[in-house]
Amino acid sequence: AQTVTQSQPEMSVQEAETVTLSCTYDTSESDYYLFWYKQPPSRQMILVIRQEAYKQQNATENRFSVNFQKAAKSFSLKISDSQLGDAAMYFCAYRRGYDMRFGAGTRLTVKP
Amino acid sequence: DTGVSQDPRHKITKRGQNVTFRCDPISEHNRLYWYRQTLGQGPEFLTYFQNEAQLEKSRLLSDRFSAERPKGSFSTLEIQRTEQGDSAMYLCASRPPTRDTWVGELFFGEGSRLTVL
Repeated sequence: AQTVTQSQPEMSVQEAETVTLSCTYDTSESDYYLFWYKQPPSRQMILVIRQEAYKQQNATENRFSVNFQKAAKSFSLKISDSQLGDAAMYFCAYRRGYDMRFGAGTRLTVKP
Repeated sequence: DTGVSQDPRHKITKRGQNVTFRCDPISEHNRLYWYRQTLGQGPEFLTYFQNEAQLEKSRLLSDRFSAERPKGSFSTLEIQRTEQGDSAMYLCASRPPTRDTWVGELFFGEGSRLTVL
């Protein structure tokens, strides 16, 4: 079964600095999607960035970028120039077909 | 675009009571998902609809859980004879039909929080 592991329950970063959140996953499939979702307190989950497994190029969305290592089954999220509004729970997710599986999340704190 | 809407946002009930949650997906989204999220964990898949057809329900947590999407629009998730272990956030998500503009994501609602006393 596919599993997603986020080994950092909590992370902290100084405003304007860079932070990297880790994610590993387990799958025997070669075609799948990977996502990072952000969940602010008492708010809905929103997509931060996504990566298709067949693409070798790492996805980038403004201050957010990923380091996708398919062979190592690793999918880390880098947040550059951190802002106070980045404080939230971040979930790594794996999807193949209808099945989307999530890690346990990393709580990111941004210090002013 | 009004987003995925869930109702109620909060429900407090006594053990043994039945509860029902409603989800209204984004217009034209034909796929709808229910997830459960407990404290400190990521969302856990429960069930999935394509239009009105429930294509996956084996991961509903027990036979006390059931879901419907009778007309392929809104969906309901019912929990019968609630137990304290059912206390969680119940999330609904939807997605459009597969097409070039879709990037693979699910669109989530804000969730319905259940507390069973």
